[in-house]
Amino acid sequence: KQEVTQIPAALSVPEGENLVLNCSFTDSAIYNLQWFRQDPGKGLTSLLLIQSSQREQTSGRLNASLDKSSGRSTLYIAASQPGDSATYLCAVRLGSGNTGKLIFGQGTTLQVKP
Amino acid sequence: EAGVVQSPRYKIIEKKQPVAFWCNPISGHNTLYWYLQNLGQGPELLIRYENEEAVDDSQLPKDRFSAERLKGVDSTLKIQPAELGDSAVYLCASSLGLRGEETQYFGPGTRLLVL
Repeated sequence: KQEVTQIPAALSVPEGENLVLNCSFTDSAIYNLQWFRQDPGKGLTSLLLIQSSQREQTSGRLNASLDKSSGRSTLYIAASQPGDSATYLCAVRLGSGNTGKLIFGQGTTLQVKP
Repeated sequence: EAGVVQSPRYKIIEKKQPVAFWCNPISGHNTLYWYLQNLGQGPELLIRYENEEAVDDSQLPKDRFSAERLKGVDSTLKIQPAELGDSAVYLCASSLGLRGEETQYFGPGTRLLVL
């Protein structure tokens, strides 16, 4: 059974700092991995999607990496801003036979202090 | 373009009462998902529809939960009777294709409190 774990559960950093959020998964047979952002009381917004054949994806100040063999992904946020404060969730999409099913981690709640 | 719409946004009911949630996916999206999100946890899939067909409902507690997606557009999720442990956020998501490979777009969710 696929399990996704995110560490740490919460993180507080001063504005301008670079930071890394971690995600690990137990079964490397994934179709892709996705990072989402969730603001309080709102739904999820997709940030980056990495296909299983890819190593990383970048969007602005965000960079996500994927190491399928070790079951790890990281989300790197450069020059953090107070507006980055939110909960970040990673999710793996299961492979053949379970297409479409996302297994989520519990999230890392980030607070960026001005 | 309008996103995924859910209503109501908040619902407070007493235990043993019925409750229903409604979702309108993004226009043209064929696949619709219902997720349950407990406080401090990631969402968990309850049911997935491809058009009007439920293709994955293995996590749906069928003794009290039911869902439908008539005409392959809007969907309703119902709980009857509700229990205290059902207090959570119910998220609806949709994606364009039928293979489940595309990005899922999430609605704001319905926050349910069962007293």
